[in-house]
This record gives sequence, structure tokens and C-alpha cells, in this order.
Amino acid sequence: AQSVTQLGSHVSVSEGALVLLRCNYSSSVPPYLFWYVQYPNQGLQLLLKYTSAATLVKGINGFEAEFKKSETSFHLTKPSAHMSDAAEYFCAVSVGTGRRALTFGSGTRLQVQP
Amino acid sequence: EPEVTQTPSHQVTQMGQEVILRCVPISNHLYFYWYRQILGQKVEFLVSFYNNEISEKSEIFDDQFSVERPDGSNFTLKIRSTKLEDSAMYFCASSDTTDTQYFGPGTRLTVL
Repeated sequence: AQSVTQLGSHVSVSEGALVLLRCNYSSSVPPYLFWYVQYPNQGLQLLLKYTSAATLVKGINGFEAEFKKSETSFHLTKPSAHMSDAAEYFCAVSVGTGRRALTFGSGTRLQVQP
Repeated sequence: EPEVTQTPSHQVTQMGQEVILRCVPISNHLYFYWYRQILGQKVEFLVSFYNNEISEKSEIFDDQFSVERPDGSNFTLKIRSTKLEDSAMYFCASSDTTDTQYFGPGTRLTVL
């Protein structure tokens, strides 16, 4: 069975600083990997996805993630944090296709300090 | 932009009562899902539905749960006899032929 580990339940950065949210996955077959963001009182919004094409994936709002098979990682980055990036971020994995069940990590709450 | 909608946003019920959570998936989507998130815990997969039948389900999705697509637009999750531990945020999602699941805003279920 697949699993996801997100290191750091809370991350705090200053506005303009680099954002790095960590995600490691475990899967016996090539995975599909996703980052979702959840703003307060809203649903989960897809930021970006990896589906075995390019290993560097660009998403919305300036976020990107790099699939590293050797490290079983899919870390999310953004060069310069904005106050509006404050939210909870979830990494998720599925196998076979992205239409299979998603297995989520426990989430990382990002705080952006002025 | 089309989006998944869910009603109600918050449901309060007594233990042992039946509840039905409703979802309207994006109109041309064919794959439908329910997930839940107990407060402070991970988002967990419950069930997926395609072509009018369950395609995948988790261990959580026992006989107390059922899903239905009663018409061309709604997708429902029924819990027959709610327990305290069913209190959670329930998310509906839908997908087309791409590899992306689009989530609704969730229904918060509180079982007293």
C-alpha cells in the first residue's frame, strides 16, 4: 500500500522568503503525486500534479514541485512567499491512475509573517 | 469555472440517526468520490463510484455506508446509523478522464 509523509505540521516563513514544504512517499509502483491547498473554510484545491511526465512540475500561484525517485520525494517550493499563501497544504499519492483513491499526508500549515 | 458543490455545509444529528450528504459533481465528470477528515487527522478515502457502481472502497466504508447517484446530477453518501466517531468533514470529489480529482467545500457532520 502507498503512503505519504509530510515533515513539519507547521511551517512559518517571512513574506518574500522561500517556501519549502516536504513530502516523501512510499509506493511499490510508479506513483501519481499531488499537492492540494486548503484555505480556511474551503475545500481542497489542486496546486499541481506529477503523472510521470516532466519531473519538475509547475503549478498555480507560483508553486512548483520536483519528483525525485531516488529520494522518494515530491517537495513543494515557492521562491517568494506571499501573505495569501497562508493555508494548509496536503501531499497525496495514488497509483495506477490519478482516478484511483488518493492517500493523503497529514498536512502542513503554512504561516506567512509580515 | 465549474465546481463541485455539497449540501448542507453543516449537519448536526443524534447518534443512531440516518444522514444523507449530498454532492453535485462537475457536470461532465464520470468518476465520483467521498473522503472524510476527522478533526486533527488525515483526509481519508472512503469510496469511489463509476458507471453506477462502486469501483473502490476503503476499510472505513462498511455496511453502515452507502452511495447512490439517484439522478444525472446528484451523488449522495448515506450513513445508516450514525456513531459519535462518524463526526468529521466529508468531502465529495469528481474527476473526468484526466488524472485530477476536484473537491467540494465539504460537509461538516457533527454526531451528538
